[in-house]
Amino acid sequence: GENVEQHPSTLSVQEGDSAVIKCTYSDSASNYFPWYKQELGKGPQLIIDIRSNVGEKKDQRIAVTLNKTAKHFSLHITETQPEDSAVYFCAFLLSNSGYALNFGKGTSLLVTP
Amino acid sequence: NAGVTQTPKFQVLKTGQSMTLQCAQDMNHNSMYWYRQDPGMGLRLIYYSASEGTTDKGEVPNGYNVSRLNKREFSLRLESAAPSQTSVYFCASIRQGTSFGSYNSPLHFGNGTRLTVT
Repeated sequence: GENVEQHPSTLSVQEGDSAVIKCTYSDSASNYFPWYKQELGKGPQLIIDIRSNVGEKKDQRIAVTLNKTAKHFSLHITETQPEDSAVYFCAFLLSNSGYALNFGKGTSLLVTP
Repeated sequence: NAGVTQTPKFQVLKTGQSMTLQCAQDMNHNSMYWYRQDPGMGLRLIYYSASEGTTDKGEVPNGYNVSRLNKREFSLRLESAAPSQTSVYFCASIRQGTSFGSYNSPLHFGNGTRLTVT
């Protein structure tokens, strides 16, 4: 199947610092790259996404950058807060799969006060 | 608006038992999906239904069957449960045909069914 590699698997930062999570994908045909946040006991929720015709997108403290040539995209969280602590998943759209997303293995982010 | 509702929330089965995980969405979405989540493995697609009346295999379909009962409901069946099927199962849905991934129409997930097979 198509793969996406996500790093790091765990990340601990102090409140106020920045956090960066990176994903590398294999399907060059993919044109949609979302990031999901999963809190304990809940399903994942979309926090930001980007399409392949855009290099960067921001939404307040979060941003996503995409390098289609190198096939990687990154999530950036600035001024982190304890409520940012969660598991984050990158994903990309599988070709010919009814809009199914292929997910990375997740990054557990801990923001300490 | 309940979104995506999964039942049951928790289930314990013995090896060889069967059960059906239920999923329903009230957002008039066309496409529905079943994922399983295991520690360190992320979310892996089991089956999906791109539209009512169609189903297709995902990455890890072995040991499972699905039924798209109507537009709202998509069930996942384990005919003979095995310990390897111990996992958290997530159902998700999206309105096919919109600009996929636009912030106003993301893939919506339920809160999961935690299944243990002993």
